[in-house]
Amino acid sequence: NAGVTQTPKFRILKIGQSMTLQCTQDMNHNYMYWYRQDPGMGLKLIYYSVGAGITDKGEVPNGYNVSRSTTEDFPLRLELAAPSQTSVYFCASGLGTSAPGANVLTFGAGSRLTVL
Amino acid sequence: RKEVEQDPGPFNVPEGATVAFNCTYSNSASQSFFWYRQDCRKEPKLLMSVYSSGNEDGRFTAQLNRASQYISLLIRDSKLSDSATYLCVVNRDDKIIFGKGTRLHILP
Repeated sequence: NAGVTQTPKFRILKIGQSMTLQCTQDMNHNYMYWYRQDPGMGLKLIYYSVGAGITDKGEVPNGYNVSRSTTEDFPLRLELAAPSQTSVYFCASGLGTSAPGANVLTFGAGSRLTVL
Repeated sequence: RKEVEQDPGPFNVPEGATVAFNCTYSNSASQSFFWYRQDCRKEPKLLMSVYSSGNEDGRFTAQLNRASQYISLLIRDSKLSDSATYLCVVNRDDKIIFGKGTRLHILP
């Protein structure tokens, strides 16, 4: 069972470069999320999606874009990388119901991005 | 005010002790509540969901007080392997919001 797969695991970017972090899940989850985690901090929600073709902003969307053309894939794009985007990025997926105890998230292993 | 706030930590407690974590959330429309555990340089993993009636899983007990918008986690008979960061998590509408986390060090 692959679960949630993120690539790349590590990447160094120069200021102004762009790149896409890939995320794919094989659990047929409708809901997918992108978070960033700065050192010693909690996870901040960047974007999320409740199904193919639907995306929405989270707490810190500036500087990022997403798309959701299929249920499985939810790539995160950085258009003009800045040092403030140096962070660990986590993708997660869940079933998405609002029932108590539901919508448990399965996370990918993370992508560590450094912008110099 | 942050939507989910936790004790800042770190907590340094001896093995075998009982430790309690507190969490408050600001939006009364929040629907589901969880505790996640995150080991150093790893992804978060679900520890337990939190139900209104309170729930227990072995040495771990979670409580929810909707009136006070307060969530707690109690760890009894702590083990060295409990050392980690504990994240309070709230599901509001379709958003899942994480607290900053509280780091726990269990001392031998």
